[in-house]
Amino acid sequence: LAKTTQPISMDSYEGQEVNITCSHNNIATNDYITWYQQFPSQGPRFIIQGYKTKVTNEVASLFIPADRKSSTLSLPRVSLSDTAVYYCLIGGATNKLIFGTGTLLAVQP
Amino acid sequence: SQTIHQWPATLVQPVGSPLSLECTVEGTSNPNLYWYRQAAGRGLQLLFYSVGIGQISSEVPQNLSASRPQDRQFILSSKKLLLSDSGFYLCAWSLGRVEEKLFFGSGTQLSVL
Repeated sequence: LAKTTQPISMDSYEGQEVNITCSHNNIATNDYITWYQQFPSQGPRFIIQGYKTKVTNEVASLFIPADRKSSTLSLPRVSLSDTAVYYCLIGGATNKLIFGTGTLLAVQP
Repeated sequence: SQTIHQWPATLVQPVGSPLSLECTVEGTSNPNLYWYRQAAGRGLQLLFYSVGIGQISSEVPQNLSASRPQDRQFILSSKKLLLSDSGFYLCAWSLGRVEEKLFFGSGTQLSVL
């Protein structure tokens, strides 16, 4: 079962680009990489998902190197409302979806 | 579209009392269902998951149990609550495909006193 490692916390300022990296050294061939955002007292919300290379949607980009042992969530021009906990989740090969500890992103004015 | 309902939103229970949290999903068939718990300031702990009616996998041995009496209904129960059972309980569903995406309910904040 793929285990993930993320920084516990990160600080940023409004308008900056934020990159959060997740390590998943034992990712399985069939596993996808998914990132979630969680605000206090709410359930996590899907942000972006990818398998390899780069994926971009309206809120974020996801960069995955060729060996897939890590991934980087990129949030362009963050705002105060992006303050939240961000989780990367590796799964797909099994039905057991286990979250890591997450990264608390604090955006300051 | 699919929706997930989870209730109650908050619950205060005395130690030793029973627990029943219910989660239902609408708009999809045969979803995978999950129960997670989040202690204050901590990450998400997977408690149970189910790939079909009556099929429950337990991840953490404890005094909680789960049941799936219907395709889109998932129930978390306890016969006697402990102080350590306090936390934020989240139900989630997925389509069970390789490219799994989890969709979460609004959660239940349980305080055991």
